[in-house]
Amino acid sequence: DAGITQSPRHKVTETGTPVTLRCHQTENHRYMYWYRQDPGHGLRLIHYSYGVKDTDKGEVSDGYSVSRSKTEDFLLTLESATSSQTSVYFCAISEPDQRATIEQFFGPGTRLTVL
Amino acid sequence: GQNIDQPTEMTATEGAIVQINCTYQTSGFNGLFWYQQHAGEAPTFLSYNVLDGLEEKGRFSSFLSRSKGYSYLLLKELQMKDSASYLCAVRYNNDMRFGAGTRLTVKP
Repeated sequence: DAGITQSPRHKVTETGTPVTLRCHQTENHRYMYWYRQDPGHGLRLIHYSYGVKDTDKGEVSDGYSVSRSKTEDFLLTLESATSSQTSVYFCAISEPDQRATIEQFFGPGTRLTVL
Repeated sequence: GQNIDQPTEMTATEGAIVQINCTYQTSGFNGLFWYQQHAGEAPTFLSYNVLDGLEEKGRFSSFLSRSKGYSYLLLKELQMKDSASYLCAVRYNNDMRFGAGTRLTVKP
């Protein structure tokens, strides 16, 4: 199994509060991703990173920001949480190679509830 | 848009064969992935197709037709542990898009 951990695994917070989720990897993979998963929508990409300090927006980036100051850590921040951000958040990593398969390995997920 | 369509739910019997279909928009296509996700767990990689044809890996096979924008995942000799959601994902250039998943229930 790829070494990916997420913290916290569960969080309940109130509307308007800031929340930071952490993804940590021990695989030295260059690419890291944050997804949210909601019933009926599947996994949707929020932001991704292709190297330290290099990040880009995904499909559903509004209301989220990210930072990557080290290869192993990718942080997702909700500056002011809203109930629509209640979801399960997955971090994923990948390392491009010459085969260009680039499968992604997923962390265990964080269940966030915004009341 | 880049809609990826797959059936919401399927049911099959232990020992049988099941085929899960996935259709996608072809513009910008750069590879198709299948993932398995058990309830409450993370998705895990099953297969990858970028060229037309069938890729076989044990009890699981995946087929791709790029011109038709169509793929299927074939599961043989179904076991109870195969009850899970199966996610079809398409890479469009550098962007990965997932279908909503097919929840498969295997019955004895």
